[in-house]
Amino acid sequence: DADVTQTPRNRITKTGKRIMLECSQTKGHDRMYWYRQDPGLGLRLIYYSFDVKDINKGEISDGYSVSRQAQAKFSLSLESAIPNQTALYFCATSDRTSGLDTQYFGPGTRLTVL
Amino acid sequence: QQQVKQSPQSLIVQKGGIPIINCAYENTAFDYFPWYQQFPGKGPALLIAIRPDVSEKKEGRFTISFNKSAKQFSLHIMDSQPGDSATYFCAASSGYALNFGKGTSLLVTP
Repeated sequence: DADVTQTPRNRITKTGKRIMLECSQTKGHDRMYWYRQDPGLGLRLIYYSFDVKDINKGEISDGYSVSRQAQAKFSLSLESAIPNQTALYFCATSDRTSGLDTQYFGPGTRLTVL
Repeated sequence: QQQVKQSPQSLIVQKGGIPIINCAYENTAFDYFPWYQQFPGKGPALLIAIRPDVSEKKEGRFTISFNKSAKQFSLHIMDSQPGDSATYFCAASSGYALNFGKGTSLLVTP
């Protein structure tokens, strides 16, 4: 969905490096999420934010941090990357006013930690 | 722990068949049950969703059946087509975050 963009789309890094994945949205949604997808494990929630001042840990937040710089921007950081953080990362947005919490996903970032 | 259990992990059907994917949950606070479809190289996209106050919802060839007492829900794809080949995820929410199943890889053969 072009309304939710993620950069970079692919990233290869080394163990111990700090990296940042960025997400931007033009949908005007207040809620934003970061998930990771691993084969056979589905999508697991890392962090979510209901507005700029409201950030919450998800199921698997250890080793990750986030920053909500503006309503439209939500970044995910790996302070010291490790190989088991190799995964596909998705950003998503939703609009609480819709009443259904439909989430719109970005195209994903494929991260490889060597 | 996985709050939503999804089966089967993979499924192969012939064109025109009716694949069925099942999900089960334990948390009775869940009140929103969407299904997402994901094609290779793409993010998941909402396919269809249901609230627990109805037992069935149809949108085109896709139907959700919901059994509140059993805490189970399923996706049926009528007259499946090769273009339906994708990974399908069920999910459940109590209003603040989605809990996804592990996904079902569906292949529809010509």
